[in-house]
Amino acid sequence: GESVGLHLPTLSVQEGDNSIINCAYSNSASDYFIWYKQESGKGPQFIIDIRSNMDKRQGQRVTVLLNKTVKHLSLQIAATQPGDSAVYFCAEGRILGNTGFQKLVFGTGTRLLVSP
Amino acid sequence: SQTIHQWPATLVQPVGSPLSLECTVEGTSNPNLYWYRQAAGRGLQLLFYSVGIGQISSEVPQNLSASRPQDRQFILSSKKLLLSDSGFYLCAWFNRQGISYGYTFGSGTRLTVV
Repeated sequence: GESVGLHLPTLSVQEGDNSIINCAYSNSASDYFIWYKQESGKGPQFIIDIRSNMDKRQGQRVTVLLNKTVKHLSLQIAATQPGDSAVYFCAEGRILGNTGFQKLVFGTGTRLLVSP
Repeated sequence: SQTIHQWPATLVQPVGSPLSLECTVEGTSNPNLYWYRQAAGRGLQLLFYSVGIGQISSEVPQNLSASRPQDRQFILSSKKLLLSDSGFYLCAWFNRQGISYGYTFGSGTRLTVV
């Protein structure tokens, strides 16, 4: 699997706590934002996305908040479980013209460690 | 159903040897396809993307190349590998489900150049 990410910021929480993972983005023209979860040795998995015209979106146990004023994105995980332990990436995306071409730019990631 | 396949899962290659990683998607047509590289403990760096057969765009100058010989096939290659080519390589395709946009990633190839 993936080696330990010495360069990744780490968030350590207790099982059952709520977790908040933050991300700052750079492009004010981004059309949408996505959170991905990556477990060791696997490809990233889609968690939730939010359009730039929204400020909040909720999924199952997860909520994404978007603050365009300060270019900040957060992922809130309710009742964090040991299975939530992974690296979480935010990504900003743009829809380019009429081609429909999409490009995502990823943040560096945050490692979430959930202890029982 | 829509799926993406990537192989091999792991690869150990000597410096100077060639490389070929393959990615195929099923259940869709004319997908936008991407190759990313992830160094250990790092984020994802976009290497190449393709909007159609024979159409390749490179994001960063490097020792690698990409090709799209068929609509649902995307190949990452190198003629001579460098130590710095080691990493976790991910293929992805863009898909839309309802009002959600996103990439679906393959399972990745861990390449170690020795």
